[in-house]
Amino acid sequence: GEDVEQSLFLSVREGDSSVINCTYTDSSSTYLYWYKQEPGAGLQLLTYIFSNMDMKQDQRLTVLLNKKDKHLSLRIADTQTGDSAIYFCAETYTNAGKSTFGDGTTLTVKP
Amino acid sequence: GAGVSQSPSNKVTEKGKDVELRCDPISGHTALYWYRQSLGQGLEFLIYFQGNSAPDKSGLPSDRFSAERTGGSVSTLTIQRTQQEDSAVYLCASSSGLAGEADTQYFGPGTRLTVL
Repeated sequence: GEDVEQSLFLSVREGDSSVINCTYTDSSSTYLYWYKQEPGAGLQLLTYIFSNMDMKQDQRLTVLLNKKDKHLSLRIADTQTGDSAIYFCAETYTNAGKSTFGDGTTLTVKP
Repeated sequence: GAGVSQSPSNKVTEKGKDVELRCDPISGHTALYWYRQSLGQGLEFLIYFQGNSAPDKSGLPSDRFSAERTGGSVSTLTIQRTQQEDSAVYLCASSSGLAGEADTQYFGPGTRLTVL
């Protein structure tokens, strides 16, 4: 079955870049997503990438996809304290259907 | 427009009682999802509704859990004879369900269920 794995914690200094990594097992995934969850809130979609793409950039966010290794990463440039949150990687193998989520990476940004 | 709303935001109940959790999806969204998030854990898929198709119930953990979606809009997740291990945040999401798009899921704020 599908499985998505992430490291649980990441701590960076304000102004540094953060890189959050994710691996998945379902080679038929078509969309891969990054969500952000702030304390006490639901999940907010940050960005997504279609599986035929290698990279997607959106302002401070860069998503890299290595389909061969089934590895997805999210890079946040110039990390701010407001970026402190839990970041979830998710995959879906159709463009309308349930997604499989990782356990989330807690990003802590220190001043 | 309004996002996904859920009620109640918090629910405290006693072991053995039944609870109902409500989700109001974004208007016009045909797909609706329920997830469970236990403390410090990721999201566990529970059930998925898409239009008039039979729901995907593959994630429901036991027959104490059920969900329905009336008129293709509002959904209710029911947990019968609650157990302490049911304590979690229950998240609802909806999406347009349209083919050919990324079909982004929009999440509600969740219902925090505590079973004493």
